[in-house]
Amino acid sequence: DSGVTQTPKHLITATGQRVTLRCSPRSGDLSVYWYQQSLDQGLQFLIQYYNGEERAKGNILERFSAQQFPDLHSELNLSSLELGDSALYFCASSQTGGTSGVADTQYFGPGTRLTVL
Amino acid sequence: GEDVEQSLFLSVREGDSSVINCTYTDSSSTYLYWYKQEPGAGLQLLTYIFSNMDMKQDQRLTVLLNKKDKHLSLRIADTQTGDSAIYFCAEKPAPGKLIFGQGTTLQVKP
Repeated sequence: DSGVTQTPKHLITATGQRVTLRCSPRSGDLSVYWYQQSLDQGLQFLIQYYNGEERAKGNILERFSAQQFPDLHSELNLSSLELGDSALYFCASSQTGGTSGVADTQYFGPGTRLTVL
Repeated sequence: GEDVEQSLFLSVREGDSSVINCTYTDSSSTYLYWYKQEPGAGLQLLTYIFSNMDMKQDQRLTVLLNKKDKHLSLRIADTQTGDSAIYFCAEKPAPGKLIFGQGTTLQVKP
């Protein structure tokens, strides 16, 4: 158990809908990262938040957005869902924002499996 | 550019050593990581190595880094059936940013 929790575990929805995925980081971790894992794209970094602020952006679509709240939990919002958005969505957390020179290991949650029908 | 390449599949017999290879492109990566993913589960950190090291050993795991060739390997000694999983190599080219390979599926035959 990494200490990172994600809800829900599974989500089934229809095209065009909007969903919210939730993540609680490990106690004491300030950074939250979101990743998408699909068969064709592999594991892709989407976005990072550090202490409530966006720190880095990866291959995140404009239909997707995220935020980190004062209690440090994070939500990933996916809207206008398409079939191709079906994937496993992982949240990870780390102690710092990834300052150069330190390992700042990312610990992953169990993931949310999203199925868009 | 940032790219991490791994072979997709490796099959070994129980008790043998497994060697999973990875190549990366960004020479500025300060840390390189190995993660393990079991079916239906998240990614579990196995180990990491700082870019100025050649080798790191942790119980049955040995990581070798050839920085000149940008080649990373993970050796698992005395491989067990419980080691069957997908193994991901990742480079860290910038603070907070991890680039993952496609993952190597390790099959351990009894």
